[in-house]
Amino acid sequence: NAGVTQTPKFRVLKTGQSMTLLCAQDMNHEYMYWYRQDPGMGLRLIHYSVGEGTTAKGEVPDGYNVSRLKKQNFLLGLESAAPSQTSVYFCASSLVGPKRNEQFFGPGTRLTVL
Amino acid sequence: DQQVKQNSPSLSVQEGRISILNCDYTNSMFDYFLWYKKYPAEGPTFLISISSIKDKNEDGRFTVFLNKSAKHLSLHIVPSQPGDSAVYFCAARANNAGNMLTFGGGTRLMVKP
Repeated sequence: NAGVTQTPKFRVLKTGQSMTLLCAQDMNHEYMYWYRQDPGMGLRLIHYSVGEGTTAKGEVPDGYNVSRLKKQNFLLGLESAAPSQTSVYFCASSLVGPKRNEQFFGPGTRLTVL
Repeated sequence: DQQVKQNSPSLSVQEGRISILNCDYTNSMFDYFLWYKKYPAEGPTFLISISSIKDKNEDGRFTVFLNKSAKHLSLHIVPSQPGDSAVYFCAARANNAGNMLTFGGGTRLMVKP
């Protein structure tokens, strides 16, 4: 049982380049989330999904797109990276119902945009 | 404007003593609160939670207290152990915000042997 995994662990992009971050979970969780963590800011929700084929905007969605084609995968895309998107990105998943806020996090992806 | 604030960026405590981490919030719609713990190079892990209908929840060495009138919650760790050294985030969910959690900026706890 691997839990939540994220690919890649590190990435350096140039301004304007695109990339996709992959999140996978093997816990059969319905809900999945993408956060970014910046110093002193805590974690901020980018987008989330309450089930396969559904996505919704979080607190800071601009500049990002997501897709949930399979229940176990949640992809985060940057179409045209900007230095302001330099951050650590965390994916998380959770059950439905009363336990939905006890989220399980992946190890993170450190992204630097030059 | 941060709705969840952890005003102490860091805290240092001697092993065996009590650690008290504080969190303040401004949104009256928050009805569920959580604490997460994060080690370097790892994702946060869920630690303990409390519903707004309670004022205390205890799990082993960890106790969370909620003071709704003051919009304040705290995490007590007794006794503190070196393995507790980590960054602690408090988070809150509003009853009108679906699955969205709002996180504080975190407090780095250092427990000295």
